[in-house]
Amino acid sequence: QKEVEQNSGPLSVPEGAIASLNCTYSDRGSQSFFWYRQYSGKSPELIMFIYSNGDKEDGRFTAQLNKASQYVSLLIRDSQPSDSATYLCAVNFPSGGSYIPTFGRGTSLIVHP
Amino acid sequence: NAGVTQTPKFQVLKTGQSMTLQCAQDMNHNSMYWYRQDPGMGLRLIYYSASEGTTDKGEVPNGYNVSRLNKREFSLRLESAAPSQTSVYFCASSVRTGQSNQPQHFGDGTRLSIL
Repeated sequence: QKEVEQNSGPLSVPEGAIASLNCTYSDRGSQSFFWYRQYSGKSPELIMFIYSNGDKEDGRFTAQLNKASQYVSLLIRDSQPSDSATYLCAVNFPSGGSYIPTFGRGTSLIVHP
Repeated sequence: NAGVTQTPKFQVLKTGQSMTLQCAQDMNHNSMYWYRQDPGMGLRLIYYSASEGTTDKGEVPNGYNVSRLNKREFSLRLESAAPSQTSVYFCASSVRTGQSNQPQHFGDGTRLSIL
């Protein structure tokens, strides 16, 4: 069974701090990894995607991928109260010539002033 | 840009009733998906369509059927609704490239209650 694991949280950080969100996955053959942000009552929206080992930075966000250890993380620098949301990790698992997206249960982030 | 459009946004059904959730995308994407989201459960894939003319089961397909009507539209049907199908349903689409799928774009969701 293809699995994506996330700590449900909540993760509480003070404004201005670095928030670190982690995700592990079960299939070494996975090629693409995504982080989505979901505000309460809203639909998920893409924050970052990463395909290669290492770090990828976009503004205050950095995605980190380690395929050997099968984990992907998201760092949010200078956290703001507006970053308070649930963060979903998604992995595309290969399956019979196609790619099946599987989501973790999400980590709730609370940034307090 | 409309992106991914879902209808209806809200619906209340009685047990045993049937209904179809509609989804359309205007981004010329190959792949389309239906998910349900329950509290604490994340997004669970119901069915997906990798390309026009194909559909496949996801993690939780029981009680649902789908139709990929054309490249733009992908509908989800509940033939005989059950209270366990009370959930928020999201449709999504993505471009499929050689090695993998690109990020998904989500609709606003349909909040479905079954009494």
